[in-house]
Amino acid sequence: GAVVSQHPSRVICKSGTSVKIECRSLDFQATTMFWYRQFPKKSLMLMATSNEGSKATYEQGVEKDKFLINHASLTLSTLTVTSAHPEDSSFYICSARDPANMGNEKLFFGSGTQLSVL
Amino acid sequence: TQLLEQSPQFLSIQEGENLTVYCNSSSVFSSLQWYRQEPGEGPVLLVTVVTGGEVKKLKRLTFQFGDARKDSSLHITAAQPGDTGLYLCAGADNQGGKLIFGQGTELSVKP
Repeated sequence: GAVVSQHPSRVICKSGTSVKIECRSLDFQATTMFWYRQFPKKSLMLMATSNEGSKATYEQGVEKDKFLINHASLTLSTLTVTSAHPEDSSFYICSARDPANMGNEKLFFGSGTQLSVL
Repeated sequence: TQLLEQSPQFLSIQEGENLTVYCNSSSVFSSLQWYRQEPGEGPVLLVTVVTGGEVKKLKRLTFQFGDARKDSSLHITAAQPGDTGLYLCAGADNQGGKLIFGQGTELSVKP
């Protein structure tokens, strides 16, 4: 089945540094990927929709300059948290849609990245 | 804006009990999905319901989509400790196909 790989699974960084998270579709081409943020035992909040070859679409309230998204190829999207601060600490999850699968809404999720900013 | 209200948000039961989780909206969704998530991992898809009134069964789990495609329920029979986790419902946005998630239900099944 379709697999989405997310890396790293856990990162600890100092306040003010930037962190890059990668999301790869391993056996399918994903023209669209989604980035979510999740707080402990809470639901997933959609941050942005990443479109291959074009600018990402951000949800209301999400800072574009803070959370940089690049979708340079059909199998890779990256989320960079710039100048991270403790309030950015969270679980970040990516997902991708496999257009070849039945049901256009079916998403495959990465395993998530736990970001801790000290 | 389409919203999904999921309830209850927390549920702690004994092994062998039955439970139902509800997912409600004032909006119509083209499809609705249920996910289960373990701590530190991404959500795993359990089922997708598409047709109003549809009922799907996955072993001890029964999923139902409302006739009007605005609500759904997840019923677990004879819950086991292995069912413990965060259960999420998600509806497909009618504009652009984004998934909108409910608040989640944290289920704890005690032996």
